[in-house]
Amino acid sequence: AQSVTQPDIHITVSEGASLELRCNYSYGATPYLFWYVQSPGQGLQLLLKYFSGDTLVQGIKGFEAEFKRSQSSFNLRKPSVHWSDAAEYFCAIAGFKTIFGAGTRLFVKA
Amino acid sequence: DSGVTQTPKHLITATGQRVTLRCSPRSGDLSVYWYQQSLDQGLQFLIQYYNGEERAKGNILERFSAQQFPDLHSELNLSSLELGDSALYFCASSDRQGATGELFFGEGSRLTVL
Repeated sequence: AQSVTQPDIHITVSEGASLELRCNYSYGATPYLFWYVQSPGQGLQLLLKYFSGDTLVQGIKGFEAEFKRSQSSFNLRKPSVHWSDAAEYFCAIAGFKTIFGAGTRLFVKA
Repeated sequence: DSGVTQTPKHLITATGQRVTLRCSPRSGDLSVYWYQQSLDQGLQFLIQYYNGEERAKGNILERFSAQQFPDLHSELNLSSLELGDSALYFCASSDRQGATGELFFGEGSRLTVL
């Protein structure tokens, strides 16, 4: 069965600091992987996706993610966080259906 | 703006009642997905329609039903409502039949059951 685990419920980083949000998945084949962001009162918006090829993928808003098959991970990174990045981030895996992780809420402190 | 429209944005009703949530997908998208988001359950996949046909089913209760009409809009019907049905219900659309494409989400319908 496919599943997604985001081990961190919430993370706090200082503005300007680097960020890494963790995502681990379980799937029997090479998955389609996504990161979505949800700002308060909004729907989810796609940040980036991985289907195949280069394991380091670039997304919008300066985010990137690296697919590591050996670790079944797809961690999201940003070198320098801005206050506007405060939101909830969801990792998702798509096979027969799209399954979302529980989400990681990012707090940014000044 | 994702191009996906959901109505109503907010809905307050009583236990035992029935409500209908409506979704208009992005222009050209044939797939519509419904998700339920609550604090304790997270984002749960309910059901997917593709071009009017049910394509995949998730954790949808028997009290809930959905359909997609010929104009591709979709409705999610929730009946015999319970307090635990209070949640944010999202509709998403995609241009793919399978679950491999990007999902475009509406802003959600917040349901409060009192």
